[in-house]
Order: sequence, then C-alpha cells, then structure tokens
Amino acid sequence: GAVVSQHPSRVICKSGTSVKIECRSLDFQATTMFWYRQFPKQSLMLMATSNEGSKATYEQGVEKDKFLINHASLTLSTLTVTSAHPEDSSFYICSTIQAPINEQFFGPGTRLTVL
Amino acid sequence: KQEVTQIPAALSVPEGENLVLNCSFTDSAIYNLQWFRQDPGKGLTSLLLIQSSQREQTSGRLNASLDKSSGRSTLYIAASQPGDSATYLCAKGRNYGQNFVFGPGTRLSVLP
Repeated sequence: GAVVSQHPSRVICKSGTSVKIECRSLDFQATTMFWYRQFPKQSLMLMATSNEGSKATYEQGVEKDKFLINHASLTLSTLTVTSAHPEDSSFYICSTIQAPINEQFFGPGTRLTVL
Repeated sequence: KQEVTQIPAALSVPEGENLVLNCSFTDSAIYNLQWFRQDPGKGLTSLLLIQSSQREQTSGRLNASLDKSSGRSTLYIAASQPGDSATYLCAKGRNYGQNFVFGPGTRLSVLP
C-alpha cells in the first residue's frame, strides 16, 4: 500500500505560537489529501480536503484562517495551526486515497500539545 | 446524527476466541468500506477494503463482509491473539476520491 509520512510526530508549543505539520506521500502522487483530527478516545473528524494547486475545502465549523492548508506539490501538504491555544491540542492525521481502488492510507499522526 | 456506528464500543475476550465487530451506516450511498486498526497514539493501519460490488474480503485471520441492503459490515477475527488488542475503525467511502466517514471505533482487548 501507499506510504504516507508526517512530520513532526510530536510537538509541544506555547499558546499563541504557530505550528506547521507536514504530510508527504512517499511513493505516489497525491492530488488530494485529507486532514483529520482526533481527540482522546474519539474517532476521526475530517477537518479539510487539501487539493494540489488549489484552495483547500474546509468542513463546517473548521476555521480556515486558523488551520492553514497548503498543497503546493503532488507529494506534500502542510497544515499550519496558527495562534495555537490549549484547545487545539489534539492528534492530527493526514491521509490520501490511492487510485484506482480508492483505498485510503494514513500517516502516523502528529501529537500537538499547546501549553 | 451519526452516519456510521460501531457496536460494541468495547470488547474484552480471552485469547483464542473468534469474535465479530459490527459496523452500520445509514446513508445508502457507498463506494467502498474500509476497516482500520489503530494502536494507542498511532496512526491507522488499513486492514481490509471492500468495494460496493463485493460481499467480503479476507486477509489471514480477518474476514470482512458487506451488506449494502441492510447497511452493515462485519469484521470477523479468528483465533484472537493479545497482539490483536487495538481500536478497530470502519470507514465508509461515499464516492470515488472523496473522504471517508468514520465510525467511533471498537476497543478490543484480547487477554492472554
């Protein structure tokens, strides 16, 4: 299956700072990537769909100015959490879908802790 | 209203037992359904993918079935092992290339 990497795996930051998370598709070109967040003992909630070369599509309730997504190449999408607050602490996971069978593959996730 | 549900929320079984995890979905639009395993603090590992035209898929001790008419999928784990302990998530793909909708997961503990 497809290999998806994320960096960093863990990050601790102070409230008010910005954090960038990278998601890379290592073995195929991904025109679309998805960003999810997961709170403890809860399932994954889609935040946004990242499209290469165009603006991301955000889910209802997700602030696009707070969670900046850039998909500048077919192998890299980035999520920047701007002016982070403690309530942004969560597990952020990216995924991509591999054609032609539409199988979804996930990165290992990034644990963000905002102090 | 939750589109994808999973029962039970948690399950504890002794090693060696066969078990069934259930996934139900309310929206009849389905392209495919995927089962994942998630270990604590880790990402998701794909276990099985069933296309809407298929009834089941098998991989080793795992068998997943899909019944579109009733909106259900099951994951059967044979001869469970302590290493199978994890959270199991099902996710429904509505259309090609679009995101999947996840169930809340079933936390499985297999006791040695």
